[in-house]
Amino acid sequence: RKEVEQDPGPFNVPEGATVAFNCTYSNSASQSFFWYRQDCRKEPKLLMSVYSSGNEDGRFTAQLNRASQYISLLIRDSKLSDSATYLCVVRVTGRRALTFGSGTRLQVQP
Amino acid sequence: DAGVIQSPRHEVTEMGQEVTLRCKPISGHNSLFWYRQTMMRGLELLIYFNNNVPIDDSGMPEDRFSAKMPNASFSTLKIQPSEPRDSAVYFCASTTDRNTEAFFGQGTRLTVV
Repeated sequence: RKEVEQDPGPFNVPEGATVAFNCTYSNSASQSFFWYRQDCRKEPKLLMSVYSSGNEDGRFTAQLNRASQYISLLIRDSKLSDSATYLCVVRVTGRRALTFGSGTRLQVQP
Repeated sequence: DAGVIQSPRHEVTEMGQEVTLRCKPISGHNSLFWYRQTMMRGLELLIYFNNNVPIDDSGMPEDRFSAKMPNASFSTLKIQPSEPRDSAVYFCASTTDRNTEAFFGQGTRLTVV
């Protein structure tokens, strides 16, 4: 079983739609959580960190449920420029390295 | 401010040849990571260094792979001999002890024919 699991998609949504991605992690020693974004043929870049209390950055909302070992990302009012692969990322206590999910591909259509 | 710099950006080589990938981390960053990305397996950690010392190399697929970090500003990932199944995008990333974000280079796209 992979340490970080995501639905690969693709999610095809119209502009303006709200879309949600989910992710589960298996290691209970996971300490830090992130969403990274990766555009086609580019490197991953940090989108936002995920805090226990939930956090929002503009149209993006991230939530963490430690009891269920579950992370979510909500994108409101989708734009064409949101089309990318969204990677769920976890850091385990005592390790510097990040563990990546396989990513969920989003395609926003006009 | 220059980010993580990787070279070459693309490499096409024949099976059996030695391949060397290079990475220059962001100045001041003391942790460096090598990842490999394929369609089938996603992003996998190969090895990471902290203060130039290899900390975890459990992701290195086999003895054909080796990595070095001779100083704080340079690392190499070597594959010898290369095989077609090594074809992938290899990313280098760096961060600091206080920073939660890892910064990635643009990657090296390796094709072994």
